[in-house]
Amino acid sequence: EAGVVQSPRYKIIEKKQPVAFWCNPISGHNTLYWYLQNLGQGPELLIRYENEEAVDDSQLPKDRFSAERLKGVDSTLKIQPAELGDSAVYLCASSLEASDTQYFGPGTRLTVL
Amino acid sequence: SQQGEEDPQALSIQEGENATMNCSYKTSINNLQWYRQNSGRGLVHLILIRSNEREKHSGRLRVTLDTSKKSSSLLITASRAADTASYFCATNDRGSTLGRLYFGRGTQLTVWP
Repeated sequence: EAGVVQSPRYKIIEKKQPVAFWCNPISGHNTLYWYLQNLGQGPELLIRYENEEAVDDSQLPKDRFSAERLKGVDSTLKIQPAELGDSAVYLCASSLEASDTQYFGPGTRLTVL
Repeated sequence: SQQGEEDPQALSIQEGENATMNCSYKTSINNLQWYRQNSGRGLVHLILIRSNEREKHSGRLRVTLDTSKKSSSLLITASRAADTASYFCATNDRGSTLGRLYFGRGTQLTVWP
């Protein structure tokens, strides 16, 4: 069974540029999560989807971050415009249901110059 | 914000020795989970212990939970070089939404051959 797929694995951009990350969850998983992981820290939840619906986005900085999960499968996380402080690893995870084990992708390492 | 706090921040041992990592948290929980993260990779779920459980085993892993002290420990017996990774505890807090996990900062374990 394929795991959670994320792309790109690495992204370097200049500040004020837009950037997008893509996630393909494990087939059949209804719940999808986006996490932010700063260096030396644990992941912090940005947003959680149940199928197409964003059910927990309280930690998503909505002035510059947006996310979508069309058709309840793949998801895209966007930052526009990026700031220096956005440099981090962006992790995607999925689970069958919200109470089940979360499976993580390898992450996208973003560097903002 | 982060709920769990791992101790120690870093641990260095020889192959064959046991490794013990501790996690303390602040509020009442539904369950506590341990994850492993190899350098540059996503997180891998190791074990989940519910608030009404005191101890669980999985292979060379042993997890204990003391809800009166709001603490948990992860023991890895007969460690191997391949166990070198960061280990995170994550709590699902009572009163929070299903699936919402709060991660600690992690313990960096190095196992020398």
